[in-house]
Amino acid sequence: AQKVTQAQTEISVVEKEDVTLDCVYETRDTTYYLFWYKQPPSGELVFLIRRNSFDEQNEISGRYSWNFQKSTSSFNFTITASQVVDSAVYFCALSDGSGGSNYKLTFGKGTLLTVNP
Amino acid sequence: DTAVSQTPKYLVTQMGNDKSIKCEQNLGHDTMYWYKQDSKKFLKIMFSYNNKELIINETVPNRFSPKSPDKAHLNLHINSLELGDSAVYFCASSQGLEETQYFGPGTRLLVL
Repeated sequence: AQKVTQAQTEISVVEKEDVTLDCVYETRDTTYYLFWYKQPPSGELVFLIRRNSFDEQNEISGRYSWNFQKSTSSFNFTITASQVVDSAVYFCALSDGSGGSNYKLTFGKGTLLTVNP
Repeated sequence: DTAVSQTPKYLVTQMGNDKSIKCEQNLGHDTMYWYKQDSKKFLKIMFSYNNKELIINETVPNRFSPKSPDKAHLNLHINSLELGDSAVYFCASSQGLEETQYFGPGTRLLVL
């Protein structure tokens, strides 16, 4: 069965620090998709990135970067020069076919990031 | 031009009542979902519809009944509400099951 582990429940940093949010996943499928979502205090879920299992290239988008490593089943998320507006709960998620059944999105438990001024 | 919308945003009701939450998407997606987020922020899928057909039905009490009148709408009806149903319910849509899901703003349900 698929599983997503975000071991860091809460992280607190001071503005301008870099911070990495860890995500480890488990799946038996060879084709799967990994996601990160952001949930700010206002409550909505904001899509950040989608990565398929065949593309291990790291991705950078502004201050955000993602490191996908199949060898360690990890898809970590780094925020460079953090800002107060980055304060949110961040969810890592996995979508796979679960051995032939329909693709289903499984979320980790989330990491609460607090960026202090 | 909201992509995925839900109504109502807040719902406060008494135990035992029946309530509905509506969801609409204007993204032209084929697949829609309902998720429940509990007080610990854990997000879990409840249902998924593809082209108006139910394709994922997780272990959810049958007091919860989704209905999809067309591809752009997926409503959730809850009978005989219980205290444990208090949560935030999110609707989402995607173009296909493996594609990115876009979420609505959520409906905060409080059962007293």
